[in-house]
Amino acid sequence: GEDVEQSLFLSVREGDSSVINCTYTDSSSTYLYWYKQEPGAGLQLLTYIFSNMDMKQDQRLTVLLNKKDKHLSLRIADTQTGDSAIYFCAENHPPSGGSYIPTFGRGTSLIVHP
Amino acid sequence: DAMVIQNPRYQVTQFGKPVTLSCSQTLNHNVMYWYQQKSSQAPKLLFHYYDKDFNNEADTPDNFQSRRPNTSFCFLDIRSPGLGDAAMYLCATSRATREGTQYFGPGTRLTVL
Repeated sequence: GEDVEQSLFLSVREGDSSVINCTYTDSSSTYLYWYKQEPGAGLQLLTYIFSNMDMKQDQRLTVLLNKKDKHLSLRIADTQTGDSAIYFCAENHPPSGGSYIPTFGRGTSLIVHP
Repeated sequence: DAMVIQNPRYQVTQFGKPVTLSCSQTLNHNVMYWYQQKSSQAPKLLFHYYDKDFNNEADTPDNFQSRRPNTSFCFLDIRSPGLGDAAMYLCATSRATREGTQYFGPGTRLTVL
């Protein structure tokens, strides 16, 4: 069945780069996403990548996709304390009842310390 | 600003006392979702609407119901909340396209006493 795996915790020093990794199982995934969740809040889309791409860069964020290994990563350059949050990887599946249904990982808690 | 709004942000109910959570959107998206999220877990999809078509996940308990009276509003009804239903409930919307980015509301934190 479909599954998305992430490590649960990552701790980095302010100013360093963070790399959050994700693996997925569904080869039919078309889009893959990174969402950020701050305490007590909903999920906020950070970025997404289409499955025919292998890299996408957006300011401090770099997404790498290895489709062969079904591995997705999110790199945050110059990590700041405001980046402390839970980061969810998600993959999108072909339609169920006419709409695409994402599968989320359990989230990686990023802790940024001074 | 276009957005997804959830009310209330915090809801306290008693064991077995029905509760309704509401979600509204100004994005005019045709798909609306309800998720349950417990601590340190992925959001779990309960059901979603594609326009007026209701799609229930196979493992969603019968205790959970939903209504979508129009494009903008969607409600989650918990008929007889149990202690295990205490969670964050997230509403999300999307267009029914392959790209399918979801836009989430801030969530309703449900406490069951």
